[in-house]
Amino acid sequence: AQSVTQLGSHVSVSEGALVLLRCNYSSSVPPYLFWYVQYPNQGLQLLLKYTSAATLVKGINGFEAEFKKSETSFHLTKPSAHMSDAAEYFCAVSHSGNTPLVFGKGTRLSVIA
Amino acid sequence: DTGVSQNPRHKITKRGQNVTFRCDPISEHNRLYWYRQTLGQGPEFLTYFQNEAQLEKSRLLSDRFSAERPKGSFSTLEIQRTEQGDSAMYLCASSLAGKSYEQYFGPGTRLTVT
Repeated sequence: AQSVTQLGSHVSVSEGALVLLRCNYSSSVPPYLFWYVQYPNQGLQLLLKYTSAATLVKGINGFEAEFKKSETSFHLTKPSAHMSDAAEYFCAVSHSGNTPLVFGKGTRLSVIA
Repeated sequence: DTGVSQNPRHKITKRGQNVTFRCDPISEHNRLYWYRQTLGQGPEFLTYFQNEAQLEKSRLLSDRFSAERPKGSFSTLEIQRTEQGDSAMYLCASSLAGKSYEQYFGPGTRLTVT
C-alpha cells in the first residue's frame, strides 16, 4: 500500500523567505509523486510531478521539489515566498501516474507581510 | 480545452434525500476519477473509470454510492439516503492514460447534509 506523510499541518513564513514543505512517502514500487495546491473553495492545481526522470523537478510559480529515494522524501521548496503563495498544499503518490492518487493530509502555508 | 467542470457547485440537502452530481472531464481524457475531501483532510479516492468501464471502487464507497459514465464522457455520482457524514467536497479529475501522468481537477461540489 502507498501512503504519504506531510510533516506540519501549518507552516508560516515571512514574505521573501524560503518556503519548505515536507513530504515523505511509502511505496512498494517506484513511485510517481505530485504536489498540488488548493486555494479556498477551489479544486486542486498541479504544481509539479516526479515520474522517474530528473530527481530535481521544477514546477510552476517558482516551486521545485527533489526526489530522494534514500530518504523516501519529496520536499517542496521555493526560494522566496509571495503573499499569493498562501494556500493549502498536498503531496500525492501513485504507482503509475494514471492510477488513483493517495494524498497526504495537506500543509496550510501562511505568508506574513 | 475548457477544463473539468462539475455541477452543481454547492448542494444542501436533508438527511435521507438522494443527490446526484455531474462531472464533465476534459474532452479527450479517457480516465475519470472521483475523490472526496472532508475539512482539514486531503482528498480520498472513491472510484475511477477508463472510458465507460469502472475500473476500481474504494472501500469508502458504500452501497449507497453509485457512479457511472455511460458513454465514456461525463460521469455522475449518486448518493442515496444521504447521511450527515456524507457532507464533504466531492472532486472530479480526468487524465489521458498513456499520454501524461497529470490528473486535472474540477472545482468540486460541496455537499452539506442537514
